[in-house]
Amino acid sequence: DAGVTQSPTHPIKTRGQQVTLRCSPKSGHDTVSWYQQALGQGPQFIFQYYEEEERQRGNFPDRFSGHQFPNYSSELNVNALLLGDSALYLCASSWGGSNQPQHFGDGTRLSIL
Amino acid sequence: DQQVKQNSPSLSVQEGRISILNCDYTNSMFDYFLWYKKYPAEGPTFLISISSIKDKNEDGRFTVFLNKSAKHLSLHIVPSQPGDSAVYFCAASENDKIIFGKGTRLHILP
Repeated sequence: DAGVTQSPTHPIKTRGQQVTLRCSPKSGHDTVSWYQQALGQGPQFIFQYYEEEERQRGNFPDRFSGHQFPNYSSELNVNALLLGDSALYLCASSWGGSNQPQHFGDGTRLSIL
Repeated sequence: DQQVKQNSPSLSVQEGRISILNCDYTNSMFDYFLWYKKYPAEGPTFLISISSIKDKNEDGRFTVFLNKSAKHLSLHIVPSQPGDSAVYFCAASENDKIIFGKGTRLHILP
């Protein structure tokens, strides 16, 4: 039973570029949430996808966008990358809403040069 | 403005003793609270949760206590084991949105 898988592992980009991060949820899960974790901080909620729609959104600019596919996998897109976007991006999956304990992937560490 | 606060960045506890990790929150609308554990280079792992209608939940060595009037929750680990050394995150949920604290690094001493 595969858990949450994320790719790529460690993309390196420059300012102004765009990046796409991918997430496959745990088998049986239909809800995907994305988090940004800066060094020394807790994960910060970006947004949640359910039934291919964005249900909830945290305090992140429109440069951060996402998508959920019919197979429940999800993508996080970040445009016009800034140095401050360097962080660990975590994907979490659950069933029927985030109050069900979420299962996290190991994250994608994005570096902006 | 931090809605979920873990005021102790780190905590050291002797193996076999009780570890107590604390968490304070400011939003009285939170209705569900969770604790996650994180090892280096891994994603957080769910440990235990508690609904706002309860004041205690126990699962093996882990017990979470909720004091709504004080807006405080704590995680008790007893007895502490070497494998418990990790970063522990307190999290709170309102309307499907989860807010995490900054974490407390727990060191279990031999």
